[in-house]
Order: sequence, then C-alpha cells, then structure tokens
Amino acid sequence: DGGITQSPKYLFRKEGQNVTLSCEQNLNHDAMYWYRQDPGQGLRLIYYSQIVNDFQKGDIAEGYSVSREKKESFPLTVTSAQKNPTAFYLCASSTSLSGTGDYGYTFGSGTRLTVV
Amino acid sequence: AQRVTQPEKLLSVFKGAPVELKCNYSYSGSPELFWYVQYSRQRLQLLLRHISRESIKGFTADLNKGETSFHLKKPFAQEEDSAMYYCALRPGGYQKVTFGTGTKLQVIP
Repeated sequence: DGGITQSPKYLFRKEGQNVTLSCEQNLNHDAMYWYRQDPGQGLRLIYYSQIVNDFQKGDIAEGYSVSREKKESFPLTVTSAQKNPTAFYLCASSTSLSGTGDYGYTFGSGTRLTVV
Repeated sequence: AQRVTQPEKLLSVFKGAPVELKCNYSYSGSPELFWYVQYSRQRLQLLLRHISRESIKGFTADLNKGETSFHLKKPFAQEEDSAMYYCALRPGGYQKVTFGTGTKLQVIP
C-alpha cells in the first residue's frame, strides 16, 4: 500500500530538547516537503527537497533542520532554537514533474508536537 | 512572491443550499491552482486542480485570470461536505506550493 508514513503521531518535548519527526514514503516521489499547520494560519512551508542530498529553506525554517540522505526519507528536527514548536506537522511528497501525471501533493497523517 | 487569500475562516450553509468557497490569488505569471480538503480525522488530500477541469464530489472550480480567483462551488451542499478546505497555488514550472489559510465548511442538517 503506497503512501507516506509519519511517526510518531504524538510527541512531547521538554524545553531545550531537540526532537526528530520521521517521514517515509514509498511512492518513488522525488520531492518532499515539511509544513507546519497552526489554527488560523493554514499551512506554512518549513523545508523542501527536490532530490536526494539537496534541500531548501521554506518560509519558516528558523529553528528547524532536515536531511535527505535517501529518496524515501525526509526527517525533520525541531531544535531548541525554535521558540514556539507546539504545532501540527505535516509531511508531503510529489513527483518532480510539473506536467501530465502530477496529481498534487500526497500528505502524511501528521505529527502533533507539544512542548511540556 | 505569490499569495493565496481565503477570506472566510468559517462558512456555514444548510444542507441542499449552494456552496461557494472563495479563493483569490496574487501571482504575475500563469499559476496552477488546487483545492485540497481535510475531512475530520483524515489526511489532507487533493480535491481538484484547475488544469483537469473536472468535477469531484459535485464540486467545480474555474480559474478566472481576470479576477485572479479560483472559487470552489457546489450547487447543493451535503452533510459529508463538512470539512476544512484549502486553496493552493503553484507557480508554473516549480514545485513549491503556497497554501491559503483555509475555510471550514459546516453543512447544517
């Protein structure tokens, strides 16, 4: 069954700790993305990656880091520098082509991170 | 930079009434527009894209370049349409998509 798997579903972090959110896809998609979803603010792009070993900052990258060592995996680390990390995090993927066959993004089920 | 505006945070309609979810965008080129939907306890998923010009679950959306709008419409609302709807824009040739802030559609029985 193809798709994107995000884990864990719920994550609690103490102040000053780094945490890593997992995102794995078996869709053979080249591009992967991390979004943050806050009430009333929609989806805001944190980081994205078009190919392995390459990634770009999105609109709100401060306090976050990513890696793309494998096509299937795009983990997101929320560092202690992120001042307001409590949020719902969504991972997505898409084909790299912009023409026929591109059906938009496929999203994971999300990880809810809470700082305690 | 591109921008997507969804002016309504919440839209409440009665079952059987017409629905129009508004989406306006700003972008100087020819963008690709999408509508995504998130039902309760389900993943965010693509509803429709303007290029395909299709009707999904009775919803349609027409790209109006003159008014820079991509409103989502359905003639008769159903209870199962209650969900969060996001309009999204992708500049031609690039993958980075910009999402609007979303509109919650509530269909009243």
